[in-house]
Amino acid sequence: QVQLEASGPGLLKDSETLFLTCNVSAESLSGDYFTGSYFWSWIRRPAGKGLDYIGHVQNTGSSTYNPVFGSRATISLDKSKKQVSLRLRSVTAADTATYYCARVKVPSVPGRGFETWGQGKMVTVSS
Amino acid sequence: AIQMTQSPSSLSASVGDRVTISCRASQYISNSVAWYQQKPGEAPALFIFSASTLESGVPSRFSGSGFGTDFTLTISSLQPEDSATYFCLQDYTSYTFGQGTSLEIK
Repeated sequence: QVQLEASGPGLLKDSETLFLTCNVSAESLSGDYFTGSYFWSWIRRPAGKGLDYIGHVQNTGSSTYNPVFGSRATISLDKSKKQVSLRLRSVTAADTATYYCARVKVPSVPGRGFETWGQGKMVTVSS
Repeated sequence: AIQMTQSPSSLSASVGDRVTISCRASQYISNSVAWYQQKPGEAPALFIFSASTLESGVPSRFSGSGFGTDFTLTISSLQPEDSATYFCLQDYTSYTFGQGTSLEIK
């Protein structure tokens, strides 16, 4: 069963660039988790608030973003390292949140959503 | 963008109570709704998908209903371990979460 784990710096300053990686692993190393069709996604949850979808990258490398994040976000895939990365530029205190990587299987039934999640990485932005 | 309006934002109920949480979509989304449970320090867990299908391993006291724009998560007999935050998600067009419902056990 696939496991996702986000890692990266936990403390940033205003205007810096957030860079997180999501390592994809499983108990069994047989098979290639990137040959299936998936959307590898990033989602965040500010403390005391709801969940925000940031965007996702497909196995082809093509990515899609929530317009709320404008051009600040970049999500990319490194199959050789089994990593999905998130780059978020020009952070402010409003970007303080727990960031999750998650996986969507495609195609799937309607409303299946994000069926596999990593544990989350807390990131604090200070001024 | 499709908005998901979730209510209530918080809820306190007793063990054994029947609890209902609602989500309303800003436009038609068929049955493209999932419900998640999140406990402190944990990742969200998928509980219900396609508006009414229970994910494997989820207790049968949980159920979902709705189609079109109005959706409901029901817990038929609340248990202490159900204390958590619950979110709805639409994936009809892109992805949008509801604001969440914090459920407390009295």
